[in-house]
Amino acid sequence: QLQLQESGPGLAKPSETLSLTCTVSGGFISGNYWVWIRQPPGKGLEWIGTIYYTGISNYNPSLQSRLTMSVDTSKNQFSLRVTSVTAADTAVYYCARATTVTKGAIDYWGQGALVTVSS
Amino acid sequence: DIQMTQSPSSLSASVGDRVTLTCRASQSFGTSLNWYQQKPGKAPKLLIYAASSLQSGVPSRFTGGGSGTDFTLTISSLQPEDFATYYCQQSYSIPYSFGQGTKLEI
Repeated sequence: QLQLQESGPGLAKPSETLSLTCTVSGGFISGNYWVWIRQPPGKGLEWIGTIYYTGISNYNPSLQSRLTMSVDTSKNQFSLRVTSVTAADTAVYYCARATTVTKGAIDYWGQGALVTVSS
Repeated sequence: DIQMTQSPSSLSASVGDRVTLTCRASQSFGTSLNWYQQKPGKAPKLLIYAASSLQSGVPSRFTGGGSGTDFTLTISSLQPEDFATYYCQQSYSIPYSFGQGTKLEI
C-alpha cells in the first residue's frame, strides 16, 4: 500500500521560505506524477503544482514566481519550496500522487501538514 | 483558467436519500473531471475519475456523469459515512482547479 508523509517546519515567518518534503513508501517515485495541494483552514482545495519523476514540473500560475518543486528518486522523496510567504500561505499542505491510470486524478494523499505563517 | 462552480454549497439530507451534486465548468473540456470526498481533519479521497469511472474500492452507490461543462455526482442511497464535503476537480488544463465544495449534512 502506497503511503505518503509530509515533513517540515510547522511555522514560517512572513517573507521567509516554506519548505516541505514528502516521503513515499510502499512504492516508487518513478513512473508517476507527484502533486502538492493546499487547503487554508476552513476553506477549499488549491492545486499548487505537479512534478513528474523526471523532474519536469507544472506550477499554478498564481504561485509560480514563488514556487520550486524537486524530486529525489534515490530517497523516494519530492519537495516543495515557497518563497516570500505571507499569512495567506497558511494552510494544510498535502502531498499526493496522480497517475495516468486515473487519467490524472489524485489517488493517494498524505495526511497533510499544517504550516502557519506568523511572526 | 477554468473556474469550477459546485451547487449547492450545502445540502441537508437523510440516510437512504438519493442526492445529486452538480459541478459546472467555465469552459468545456470533455470528461477530465474528478470527484473527491473529504471528512473533517482528513485528506480527500478519490471517488470518481474521468467523470464516470469509479475508483477501486469505492461503493457502487456513487455514480458520476456528464461531459463538457456540466457534471454530476449521484449517491443513490445515503449512508451515515457519506456525510462529508465533496469537491470536483478538472484535470484538463493547468491550473487543475477545484470547485469550492458541497457540504452534505444530515
